[in-house]
Amino acid sequence: DQQVKQNSPSLSVQEGRISILNCDYTNSMFDYFLWYKKYPAEGPTFLISISSIKDKNEDGRFTVFLNKSAKHLSLHIVPSQPGDSAVYFCAASALGNSGYALNFGKGTSLLVTP
Amino acid sequence: DAGITQSPRYKITETGRQVTLMCHQTWSHSYMFWYRQDLGHGLRLIYYSAAADITDKGEVPDGYVVSRSKTENFPLTLESATRSQTSVYFCASSPVSGAGNTIYFGEGSWLTVV
Repeated sequence: DQQVKQNSPSLSVQEGRISILNCDYTNSMFDYFLWYKKYPAEGPTFLISISSIKDKNEDGRFTVFLNKSAKHLSLHIVPSQPGDSAVYFCAASALGNSGYALNFGKGTSLLVTP
Repeated sequence: DAGITQSPRYKITETGRQVTLMCHQTWSHSYMFWYRQDLGHGLRLIYYSAAADITDKGEVPDGYVVSRSKTENFPLTLESATRSQTSVYFCASSPVSGAGNTIYFGEGSWLTVV
């Protein structure tokens, strides 16, 4: 039973425009949310996170928004660059959940075209 | 600063063989994890460990064995490999367990079972 869902397997965006990646979750106990970026043949790397006590966190071109009532979060990348082309995984964790192990979505493959 | 390293990076083995994937981290992180990544499933937790000599099952533990005699090492063993265990395996670690926890991943081990 997938507790973290990324319903868009892929997204294509033009360079300079905004990329919006979406994520939904079902477990109301999740209290910390993260986005990871993954290039082919490499391990996932941490990108940005947000605690459940916040509704927005910004880091340079990357902003994560959390809507707890809708159990939805999104990652905004502005402006998008070709180097942002990668698979993006949404992840969530909760107290008592396998040592705070992360539950991952299936990923969204982002392609930023010149 | 080696961080977290996995070996072998690529392995082909036959059905029924025993295979061990090694994971070593230099950060002295308490928590370590093994995930597998499969198309259509994202990243799924196999086993995790809170400290040396403390391990527990994740979402998909069947067919796998782990041990953690030293804080820095967390090997994953497939006792009798099956084709369904063909996957990319990621080892990960984190310093603590709790809200705000970020997990750091190794570069992955590509395993093919023929």
